[in-house]
Amino acid sequence: NAGVTQTPKFQVLKTGQSMTLQCAQDMNHEYMSWYRQDPGMGLRLIHYSVGAGITDQGEVPNGYNVSRSTTEDFPLRLLSAAPSQTSVYFCASRTRGTNEKLFFGSGTQLSVL
Amino acid sequence: ILNVEQSPQSLHVQEGDSTNFTCSFPSSNFYALHWYRWETAKSPEALFVMTLNGDEKKKGRISATLNTKEGYSYLYIKGSQPEDSATYLCASDSSGYNKLIFGAGTRLAVHP
Repeated sequence: NAGVTQTPKFQVLKTGQSMTLQCAQDMNHEYMSWYRQDPGMGLRLIHYSVGAGITDQGEVPNGYNVSRSTTEDFPLRLLSAAPSQTSVYFCASRTRGTNEKLFFGSGTQLSVL
Repeated sequence: ILNVEQSPQSLHVQEGDSTNFTCSFPSSNFYALHWYRWETAKSPEALFVMTLNGDEKKKGRISATLNTKEGYSYLYIKGSQPEDSATYLCASDSSGYNKLIFGAGTRLAVHP
């Protein structure tokens, strides 16, 4: 059971480049979300989804796009990378229900030069 | 945007000490309060998810309480061990559908 799989683990971009961070889960979880982690700021919610075809903005959505065409996949797109997007990104998923815990991927460390 | 606050920001204790942290969250539209343990170079792992006022959860030497009316939760560690060293995160769910907002965490260091 792979759980939540994120790729790549590390990425270096130049300002203005675009890229997609991949996230896949094999637990048939309805809920998926993307967080970024910056020193002293904990995890901040970027975008989240409650099912295929349904996404919504979190705390810090600017500069990021998401889509959810399948239950398994929830990619995060940076359209034009900026140095402020240098961070560690975590994807998480959980099943529907208010008392259900999050399962996290292993993270993607992104540097934008 | 909700504001979830944790205190203290960091804590250094000796092995064997008992300690506790606080998580405060908006009490309106409350659905659930989560606690996660996050070790360096790993991913956060769930400790507890609590939904009811007065709820108490326990896992080994770690326990948590919840007060939804006043908007706070305590996490307790009894007899801290060096392997308890980690960042402890809390997150508030005020939407009921996956919009979990995290606090900045409490970083615990347990010294032998």
